[in-house]
Amino acid sequence: DQQVKQNSPSLSVQEGRISILNCDYTNSMFDYFLWYKKYPAEGPTFLISISSIKDKNEDGRFTVFLNKSAKHLSLHIVPSQPGDSAVYFCAASRGIQGAQKLVFGQGTRLTINP
Amino acid sequence: DTGVSQNPRHKITKRGQNVTFRCDPISEHNRLYWYRQTLGQGPEFLTYFQNEAQLEKSRLLSDRFSAERPKGSFSTLEIQRTEQGDSAMYLCASSLGQASGGYTFGSGTRLTVV
Repeated sequence: DQQVKQNSPSLSVQEGRISILNCDYTNSMFDYFLWYKKYPAEGPTFLISISSIKDKNEDGRFTVFLNKSAKHLSLHIVPSQPGDSAVYFCAASRGIQGAQKLVFGQGTRLTINP
Repeated sequence: DTGVSQNPRHKITKRGQNVTFRCDPISEHNRLYWYRQTLGQGPEFLTYFQNEAQLEKSRLLSDRFSAERPKGSFSTLEIQRTEQGDSAMYLCASSLGQASGGYTFGSGTRLTVV
């Protein structure tokens, strides 16, 4: 029972363009969502989060959009840089104030081409 | 503050042996989490502690697995009678309460059971 799904295992984007990573969830009890970035041989690093009372959160080049009716969230990276090449995981949690037990998607490998 | 520290980084063991991993969280963090990640998948929740109390355990955590956090600081995860299916990256993370900024992961311990 995959409650959080990232249907694209990989994505390749030109440097300077927009990267859009997508995530779908099935459990309507989730009310806090996060994106993590992972480099090889390192643990995941927190990137950005959004609670279900919002539909958008922005932090520099990173914006997360939440569509609760569609149970869908996306991460936009603009402009994409070579250092953004990594595996990106979306995660969901109950608890509107922040992360508790997280349910992760399978990840999307993003490659930024010079 | 050196972040979340996990030891060892790598462990190779023979099937049937017992192994123990250690996690040292960020010092002021009261919550500590264990996750397991296999190839091509996102991290899966195993268990979490608030201070020394183990508050939740996943059904993934069979009776061969035990986790402790005796003084509310470092934690150990022990796997008894290891099986080849236990081969994975074991990740530890910590947070101060329900973290709006997600939690901080360590670099993980990679277990290979041969």
